[in-house]
Amino acid sequence: QMQLVQSGPEVKKPGTSVKVSCKASGLTFTSTAMQWVRQARGQRLEWIGWIVVGSGNTNYAQKFQERVTITRDMSTSTAYMELSSLRSEDTAVYYCAAGAVGVPNYWGQGTLVTVSS
Amino acid sequence: EIVLTQSPATLSLSPGERATLSCRASQSVSSYLAWYQQKPGQAPRLLIYDASKRATGIPARFSGSGSGTDFTLTISSLEPEDFAVYYCQQRSNWPWTFGQGTKVEIK
Repeated sequence: QMQLVQSGPEVKKPGTSVKVSCKASGLTFTSTAMQWVRQARGQRLEWIGWIVVGSGNTNYAQKFQERVTITRDMSTSTAYMELSSLRSEDTAVYYCAAGAVGVPNYWGQGTLVTVSS
Repeated sequence: EIVLTQSPATLSLSPGERATLSCRASQSVSSYLAWYQQKPGQAPRLLIYDASKRATGIPARFSGSGSGTDFTLTISSLEPEDFAVYYCQQRSNWPWTFGQGTKVEIK
């Protein structure tokens, strides 16, 4: 069955970067879009951006434009989201999700990223 | 950025009752409105997309309606597993945005 497995929790210092992975199985990776959403405690869910796996085209929310990079490795069916210049406000659970752009049917289990000095 | 406002914040109902959740957009999103269910410690689960289309594997007791700025998610008869937080989300204007959520709790 369709499954997205994300990398484990991370603890990072302010100003550093984090790279979260999301490995897909049970779906045609090249025919999907991998999307990234985060959820900070007590805050609304927030879209970060997405990548159309087949073409490699990406789109990022302006809020993250200067700090985020979403990539994919088709040989391993894995997508990545890297966020740089981390600050305490970036502490959140980061989710990957797969499906048509804007219609994510399948979600990873989430990765907790904690930014603390 | 489009703001989505959900009401009520909390809905207290008993199993078997009908649940009606609302989502209002600050400007028209056409029919590009989705609904998600989230349980504690779990990822969101897509229920409805494009206002009224059920996602794969979603039971028929979940239905969505509306267009423009006003949308409704209806759960026709609550099952024990339906008690959760529900979010609406628009994909009409980037960045896509979510509502603040409605918690459906057991009365």
